[in-house]
Amino acid sequence: DAMVIQNPRYQVTQFGKPVTLSCSQTLNHNVMYWYQQKSSQAPKLLFHYYDKDFNNEADTPDNFQSRRPNTSFCFLDIRSPGLGDAAMYLCATSRDPALAGYNEQFFGPGTRLTVL
Amino acid sequence: RKEVEQDPGPFNVPEGATVAFNCTYSNSASQSFFWYRQDCRKEPKLLMSVYSSGNEDGRFTAQLNRASQYISLLIRDSKLSDSATYLCVVALMTTDSWGKFQFGAGTQVVVTP
Repeated sequence: DAMVIQNPRYQVTQFGKPVTLSCSQTLNHNVMYWYQQKSSQAPKLLFHYYDKDFNNEADTPDNFQSRRPNTSFCFLDIRSPGLGDAAMYLCATSRDPALAGYNEQFFGPGTRLTVL
Repeated sequence: RKEVEQDPGPFNVPEGATVAFNCTYSNSASQSFFWYRQDCRKEPKLLMSVYSSGNEDGRFTAQLNRASQYISLLIRDSKLSDSATYLCVVALMTTDSWGKFQFGAGTQVVVTP
């Protein structure tokens, strides 16, 4: 029944060692999002895809990259993680926002990243 | 000024009591509104969408005031299981910001026995 799946659930990496977080969805939604959430803060949007159209937030560091090879999968690559990148990373999907109705987001369970 | 603002709380609520809190948003182009619930170290989960006329789902009532640009959430007959952080989410559907969701930092509710 899982609709948005994230792997791994917990990731420990060393300072500067690249990591890749993955997200898959069974909802066939057009839009996929990556958020970073730190303790007691709102989720912060890093990127989103409308189909294959990539949208980078202006304040997303270059250290963060993303790939969406197909509708179902999306990846977040952190090229050189720093201590400040330790956070929960949330993947979310939504339907085409041009459709009528309330197109809420569906979140995956998140990947908690620890940087040593 | 933040685009979506919430009182962080915590709101300490005796079990069975009623609690209400608001969320203000700054972008008048906002079109869709939601309340999400987030438990500690878990992902946000949709609690309810907020409709223009206001809507109720069991013990939860949401209201939208477009003129003053705020939404509200009221929880009646609070249960211990209602303890969580409630995130206000506003969706922008303009041509420049299609499908973009803006989050408040959340209001923490603690229901006590």
